[in-house]
This record gives sequence, C-alpha cells and structure tokens, in this order.
Amino acid sequence: GAVVSQHPSRVICKSGTSVKIECRSLDFQATTMFWYRQFPKKSLMLMATSNEGSKATYEQGVEKDKFLINHASLTLSTLTVTSAHPEDSSFYICSASGGTSGTFEQFFGPGTRLTVL
Amino acid sequence: AQRVTQPEKLLSVFKGAPVELKCNYSYSGSPELFWYVQYSRQRLQLLLRHISRESIKGFTADLNKGETSFHLKKPFAQEEDSAMYYCALSRAGGTSYGKLTFGQGTILTVHP
Repeated sequence: GAVVSQHPSRVICKSGTSVKIECRSLDFQATTMFWYRQFPKKSLMLMATSNEGSKATYEQGVEKDKFLINHASLTLSTLTVTSAHPEDSSFYICSASGGTSGTFEQFFGPGTRLTVL
Repeated sequence: AQRVTQPEKLLSVFKGAPVELKCNYSYSGSPELFWYVQYSRQRLQLLLRHISRESIKGFTADLNKGETSFHLKKPFAQEEDSAMYYCALSRAGGTSYGKLTFGQGTILTVHP
C-alpha cells in the first residue's frame, strides 16, 4: 500500500508556543488529507479535512484558529498547533487519500505524540 | 449524525477459537463500512471493507442493514491477530464523502 509519513514522531514544547506537524504522502498524490486526534485508549476523532489548494474543513468543535492546516501540495499537509496548552497534548494522526471516484482508501501516518508542558 | 459503536473494549480468546468483534452503526443513508487494525507499535491500516466482500487474513465481515451491524469474524483466531480493531463508517456521498467515523475500538488478545 501507499506510504504516509509524519514528522516529528514526538515533540515536547512549552505552553504558549506553536508546533508544526508535517504529513507527507511518499509515493502517491494525496488529493485529500485528514487530521485526527487520538486520546489514550480512545477512538480517533476527525479534526479536519484538507484538499490540496483549498481551505481545510473543520469538524464541529475544532477551533480552526487553534489548529491551522495547510495543504499546499499534493504530497504535503501541515498541522500547526498554535499557542499550545497542556490540554492539547495528544496523539495526532494524519491520513491521505488519492482517490478520485468511488470508494477510496485512507492511508495512515504513524502519528505524532505532542506533549505540552 | 452517524455513529459507530463497538460494545466490547476488550476481547480475549484462545488460539484456534472463533472470534467475533461487534460493530453497530447508525446512519440514515447508505454507508460504507470498514474494519481497520492497529498492531502493536504500528500504524492504523485497512483490514477490509464491506463493498469488497473479501476475506483478509481469514477475517470476514458482512453488512447487515436490517440490524445495522458490521461484525468482524474469524473462525480460528491466531496469536498474531492480537491488535486493536476499529470499525469505521464513511458516507457514500455528499460533502462529507470519504470522511471516516470510527468506533471506540476493541482490543483483541489471542492467548496461546
């Protein structure tokens, strides 16, 4: 299957700083990328959907000014957690899809562990 | 709004025993259902989808629209099946096309 990478795999930052997480599709063009948040032993919660070249669509309850998403190319999407606080500490997972019709598969990245002190 | 429920957080069976991971969904339209698996220290990966009607690693899942269920089954569990399993639903069309709603996940442990 297709490969999706995330960088960094883990990051620790101070409260009030901003953190950028990159999601890359390594061997295919991702027309759509998804960002999820996963709490310990809990399900994945979809945060936003981004399509290359357009603004991200955020799920209800997700602050778009807090979680900035950019999908500047068909192989890269970034999630920036602005003014991070301890409650933002979580596991962030991206997925990428390159389907254009019918059912298309999402390929998941390995996740990024964010710890805000 | 759509919802996916996996009633069992933990499921333990012995090697060679049958296993069934339950998944129920609520959605007013025609959903697409998936099972994803996450092995220890690995990323989430697709196990199977209902439209393919395929068997992967011995697992099968049938969509029962009457019972709004998509249970995952395997007749003879193996130790390497131990993992976290997520049932997921995707809308078949509209602006939410492709978005996945995940269940809470079931941790399957297969004992030797």
